[in-house]
Amino acid sequence: DTGVSQDPRHKITKRGQNVTFRCDPISEHNRLYWYRQTLGQGPEFLTYFQNEAQLEKSRLLSDRFSAERPKGSFSTLEIQRTEQGDSAMYLCASSLGGLLNEKLFFGSGTQLSVL
Amino acid sequence: KQEVTQIPAALSVPEGENLVLNCSFTDSAIYNLQWFRQDPGKGLTSLLLIQSSQREQTSGRLNASLDKSSGRSTLYIAASQPGDSATYLCAVRWYSGGSNYKLTFGKGTLLTVNP
Repeated sequence: DTGVSQDPRHKITKRGQNVTFRCDPISEHNRLYWYRQTLGQGPEFLTYFQNEAQLEKSRLLSDRFSAERPKGSFSTLEIQRTEQGDSAMYLCASSLGGLLNEKLFFGSGTQLSVL
Repeated sequence: KQEVTQIPAALSVPEGENLVLNCSFTDSAIYNLQWFRQDPGKGLTSLLLIQSSQREQTSGRLNASLDKSSGRSTLYIAASQPGDSATYLCAVRWYSGGSNYKLTFGKGTLLTVNP
């Protein structure tokens, strides 16, 4: 068990380009989350998966954002036609457990800079 | 609106001091409350989770309390050390008004422990 892994750690892109991030959760964890964090703020919920099913998307997530978790393993988050306002740290977390006692294990994040 | 507020935004203390970080939330219908630690440029590490029926949790030098009726939680750090320097985030999981699996975070308290 090496923890939650995210790739890449840093991504610099030009406005209008598409970017894709990858998250590898802890292997036995069935739930996977994506959060976004900007400087000086707490993380904001984007979406989560239970196994391969995407069960909720935040209203913050525009149509330019899409996430997948094929076969309930790793997950990808794609942002199309990036905008400067997309610049943030994108955090992935995985978990196992019920609503009362679920602890999230976070990756180190992908820092996106849109120029 | 369900919100989490953390006070103070920043705190600087000399090594060895005991300290308290505060978290308040607007709706008492919660599943649990968690405290996380975040080091600069890194992901989050779960410190303590308090279920709605519990009043406190302890881990080493850390003690977290929960007063659901008043919408408050505190994180007590005993005998602080320079290695405790980090941002501490409070997060709430509510069971009304939205996603049961979403965590809502405060903005965090930046703690600096001076040698």
